[in-house]
Amino acid sequence: GQQLNQSPQSMFIQEGEDVSMNCTSSSIFNTWLWYKQEPGEGPVLLIALYKAGELTSNGRLTAQFGITRKDSFLNISASIPSDVGIYFCAGSIPNTGNQFYFGTGTSLTVIP
Amino acid sequence: KAGVTQTPRYLIKTRGQQVTLSCSPISGHRSVSWYQQTPGQGLQFLFEYFSETQRNKGNFPGRFSGRQFSNSRSEMNVSTLELGDSALYLCASSTGLAVSTDTQYFGPGTRLTVL
Repeated sequence: GQQLNQSPQSMFIQEGEDVSMNCTSSSIFNTWLWYKQEPGEGPVLLIALYKAGELTSNGRLTAQFGITRKDSFLNISASIPSDVGIYFCAGSIPNTGNQFYFGTGTSLTVIP
Repeated sequence: KAGVTQTPRYLIKTRGQQVTLSCSPISGHRSVSWYQQTPGQGLQFLFEYFSETQRNKGNFPGRFSGRQFSNSRSEMNVSTLELGDSALYLCASSTGLAVSTDTQYFGPGTRLTVL
C-alpha cells in the first residue's frame, strides 16, 4: 500500500522552542490531514488541507500543503508541555476511493 | 454535534474467542473506516463502509470482518482471536463524499487485549 514517510520519528525539545515535522509521499495527494494522538485516545484532527500551496493555521500550529502535492509540513511555535503526543499526517490519493493513508507518526516530548 | 463513539472502550479476550466492536459515526456521516493501531505497525487500514457497503479493504485476513447498518453505525468482528490481534482499534467517520474535500474524525478507540 501507499507509504507516507514522516520525519522525524521522535523529537525532544525544550518548552518554548519551535517544532517542525513533515510528510512526503511518492504519490500525488489531494488532501493532507494532521492529527495529534495522546496515550489511550484516538487521533484528534488538528488541521486539514485541500489545495496545493494552502497554508493554514490553528493557534500555534501551522501546516502547508506542498506545491508538488507530494508533501506537507506541520510547525508548532512556542511549544508547551501539553503539546506532548504523537503527531500523524494522513492523506488521500485521487481516484482511490475514500481511503486515507497514514504516516508512522512523530513522537514529541516537551521538556519543561 | 456529538463525536464518534466506540464501545466498549476496553476488552479482554482469550485466544480462539471472537469479538465484536461497535462504532457510531458523527450524525450525517455515512462513511466509517476501521484501523488497527499497534506500537510496531502504526495505523493499519482494515476497511471502509459507506451506505452499508464495503467500499475499501486493507490487507487483513478474513477473520476480520465488518458491517454497516442503515443508520450508519458500524460493527467490526474478529473471529478466532490471536495474541497478535491485541491492539487499539479505531474507527473514523467522514461524509464519504468527494474525497478531495473529505476529512476523517476518530473515535476514542477500543483497546483489545488477547490473552
